[in-house]
Amino acid sequence: GENVEQHPSTLSVQEGDSAVIKCTYSDSASNYFPWYKQELGKRPQLIIDIRSNVGEKKDQRIAVTLNKTAKHFSLHITETQPEDSAVYFCAARLASVEKLTFGTGTRLTIIP
Amino acid sequence: KAGVTQTPRYLIKTRGQQVTLSCSPISGHRSVSWYQQTPGQGLQFLFEYFSETQRNKGNFPGRFSGRQFSNSRSEMNVSTLELGDSALYLCASSLRGGHSDTQYFGPGTRLTVL
Repeated sequence: GENVEQHPSTLSVQEGDSAVIKCTYSDSASNYFPWYKQELGKRPQLIIDIRSNVGEKKDQRIAVTLNKTAKHFSLHITETQPEDSAVYFCAARLASVEKLTFGTGTRLTIIP
Repeated sequence: KAGVTQTPRYLIKTRGQQVTLSCSPISGHRSVSWYQQTPGQGLQFLFEYFSETQRNKGNFPGRFSGRQFSNSRSEMNVSTLELGDSALYLCASSLRGGHSDTQYFGPGTRLTVL
């Protein structure tokens, strides 16, 4: 089955700097890659997603890039703010299957 | 639209008991998936229901089961509880399922097994 690896597990960034989280997946048939943000005690919230027919997607300070050949995708957060502190999960999904396979999460801390 | 809701939010049970968790999807959503979240294993897929049928199942023992009703509400049942079943159980709904639709998560049910 699909396997998703996520790095780093923890990341501390100075406020205003950029943060990058990387994920690799094993099944080349995966075609949908969402990123979720989970604040302490809260539900995971989708922040951005990308489909396999697209190489990059941006939404204000957040961007995701996808390299299908290398089977990896990355989350980029620019101009980080204290409210960006949370655990971020990447995930991958095979076509026509609802199951999301999640990475192990990255705890991002923004240092004021 | 109201978001995904789950009841109860917290549960404390003892080993050997059974438990039923409920999930109400966003109105109009027909697919409901269940996940187990633990510090050690992260988010693990349990199963997915669509139109009252289980379409996909994760690698969990048969003690974990579920069902979906005609109004798309779903329940998950865990029988013969073990200490290791302590976790946050999240459900997520999507419009159609299997079409790269966004999965929206509920707040979860925190289950503690003593």
